[in-house]
Amino acid sequence: RKEVEQDPGPFNVPEGATVAFNCTYSNSASQSFFWYRQDCRKEPKLLMSVYSSGNEDGRFTAQLNRASQYISLLIRDSKLSDSATYLCVVCSNQAGTALIFGKGTTLSVSS
Amino acid sequence: GAGVSQTPSNKVTEKGKYVELRCDPISGHTALYWYRQSLGQGPEFLIYFQGTGAADDSGLPNDRFFAVRPEGSVSTLKIQRTERGDSAVYLCASSPTVSTDTQYFGPGTRLTVL
Repeated sequence: RKEVEQDPGPFNVPEGATVAFNCTYSNSASQSFFWYRQDCRKEPKLLMSVYSSGNEDGRFTAQLNRASQYISLLIRDSKLSDSATYLCVVCSNQAGTALIFGKGTTLSVSS
Repeated sequence: GAGVSQTPSNKVTEKGKYVELRCDPISGHTALYWYRQSLGQGPEFLIYFQGTGAADDSGLPNDRFFAVRPEGSVSTLKIQRTERGDSAVYLCASSPTVSTDTQYFGPGTRLTVL
C-alpha cells in the first residue's frame, strides 16, 4: 500500500465550479500535512498546510481527519488558472523530515 | 530573493555514464533535500542534509547514487553507471532549518538516459 494515495483524475470542470480532492495516508504517526500545486514541467509549490481544525485561504479550504487518516482540499469558484496537478503531501517521522508525496490529482478547468 | 537553483536544467547521457547534478539552495537554508520524480508520479525522497552531513539517505535507491554538500551550501547528486530507469526529474529543495516544514523546490534537472 502506498503511503499517500490520491485519485489521479483528471477532474475536468467548468469555470466557477466547486471541486474537491481527497487523499488518504497510511502512517498514523505522520505529523504534518500539506497540499502542493505543480504546473506542467514545473516544480511543486506549497499551496497550503493542513490542520485538524481546518483552514481556509481564499477559495481554497483544506481539512484533516486524523482518525480516518484523510485529507481534503476544496476549491470554490474554479478559475482557468487553477488548472494544475495537486499533490497531497505528508511529513513522515519515519523518514526524518522528508516529504512523502501522493501521485497527484490533475485538475483541468475550462471556459 | 533568489530561490533554489539547479543545473543543468536538462541532461542527456548514455547508459553507463556518470553524471553530476548541482543544487544551490536558498542562501542561509541549512536543510537541503533531493527528490526524484518519474513521469506520472509524485516526487520521491532520496536524501537530506543538515549542514554538511547527510542526516537521512534512506531514499537512495542503490549505491550508484551518492550526494555531497561539503561546505553546507551547494550540493551535488552523483549517479554512477547510469541506467535507463534513472531517467526522471531530480528536484532539490531547501528549508531554513530541519524543523521547518516548508520546503522550497528548485526547477529540477531533467535527466534522460539513452
